[in-house]
Amino acid sequence: RKEVEQDPGPFNVPEGATVAFNCTYSNSASQSFFWYRQDCRKEPKLLMSVYSSGNEDGRFTAQLNRASQYISLLIRDSKLSDSATYLCAVRSSGYSTLTFGKGTMLLVSP
Amino acid sequence: EAQVTQNPRYLITVTGKKLTVTCSQNMNHEYMSWYRQDPGLGLRQIYYSMNVEVTDKGDVPEGYKVSRKEKRNFPLILESPSPNQTSLYFCASSPDIRETQYFGPGTRLLVL
Repeated sequence: RKEVEQDPGPFNVPEGATVAFNCTYSNSASQSFFWYRQDCRKEPKLLMSVYSSGNEDGRFTAQLNRASQYISLLIRDSKLSDSATYLCAVRSSGYSTLTFGKGTMLLVSP
Repeated sequence: EAQVTQNPRYLITVTGKKLTVTCSQNMNHEYMSWYRQDPGLGLRQIYYSMNVEVTDKGDVPEGYKVSRKEKRNFPLILESPSPNQTSLYFCASSPDIRETQYFGPGTRLLVL
């Protein structure tokens, strides 16, 4: 099983739609979780960290499910500008590295 | 402005010609890292550094070298580039490994 897995998509949604992505991780000792956004061939930029209690930032909500070993990202009221690739990143306890998923592509259409 | 810078941004070279990609951060971060990104393979870590003079291999270190003589700089060295090192390279830094990483703008490398 791969360490961090994401559905590559693309997810095609109309403006205003709600869309959710999941990211599964294999190491139960994982400690830190992040969602990044990457526009075409540009650098990944942090979208939000994922806390055990879940967190929300405007239209974006991130959640962690330790029992099932996945994190999720929910985007409400999708905008055209949300079109991008969304990468999840996981750090395991005792490891000095972040492992990234391959990303999920989102395309928001008018 | 807090940032991670990389140079060059674009580079075309030939097999075997040594090259260095520089990375510099002005945020006094302890942790720095190099990744390569390839279609279908995602971001893969090449090397990382926990602090000055401390470097370690990531997932795909073969064919690369790094050094961390100063806190702010973390150059990536390709002693003898080969076509399979054609890729998009990102440098990243963070205050420490537990915190999120900030990425540089990327370096597109083509090895002929």
